[in-house]
Amino acid sequence: EVQLVESGGGLVKPGESLRLSCAASGFTFRGYSMNWVRQAPGKGLEWVSSISSSSSYIYYADSVKGRFTISRDNAKNSLYLQMDSLRAEDTAVYYCARDAITGTTGGGNNWFDPWGQGTLVTASS
Amino acid sequence: QSVLTQPPSVSGAPGQRVTISCTGSSSNIGARYDVHWYQQLPGTAPKLLIYGNKNRPSGVPDRFSGSKSGTSASLAITGLQAEDEADYYCHSYDSSLSDVVFGGGTKLTVL
Repeated sequence: EVQLVESGGGLVKPGESLRLSCAASGFTFRGYSMNWVRQAPGKGLEWVSSISSSSSYIYYADSVKGRFTISRDNAKNSLYLQMDSLRAEDTAVYYCARDAITGTTGGGNNWFDPWGQGTLVTASS
Repeated sequence: QSVLTQPPSVSGAPGQRVTISCTGSSSNIGARYDVHWYQQLPGTAPKLLIYGNKNRPSGVPDRFSGSKSGTSASLAITGLQAEDEADYYCHSYDSSLSDVVFGGGTKLTVL
């Protein structure tokens, strides 16, 4: 079964850092681009970042550029999101999602499937 | 304000047909970028519903269909069922922003 499981969320103060992880199983992780999408409480989906299969291509939304860093470890079948200088407006459930087809560079017009269950990040004083 | 515009809410009685629109512009849907749709049941993660404008993944009932024309796309649901009550999101790419974009979401209520 193809599965994505996020972890690492929690409550932090504005200005602090947090690192999210996404553990993948059931497919050849190194063959797929991966993505982070977030959803603020009661709001819609917002794309955050994408990374290609070999980490050669990386993309960020303007809202997180310079503060968040996406990375992956294909040997560990894991995706990461390092979040620095967190702001109150970063409060959201963060989902990892796989590009549905293999061999893409990420950050483009591909659909996402599957999605993880999400992990909640709360930045509040 | 989302780049892709969806109605905040739609509703219909069981058995009826509803459509959800996703309106974009010449830099996304109108630029021939595909539109994808996701269903998000309450308290759960989004689930792929339609990809490439009109294609259903295996397991998605044929009551769900997608279409695209010009700068807009639509999701149609026929034979509404109580279990269809959820939030629905469209998804595409914008060449002006060079970003993946989502619609603001539409809450479907089954009356």
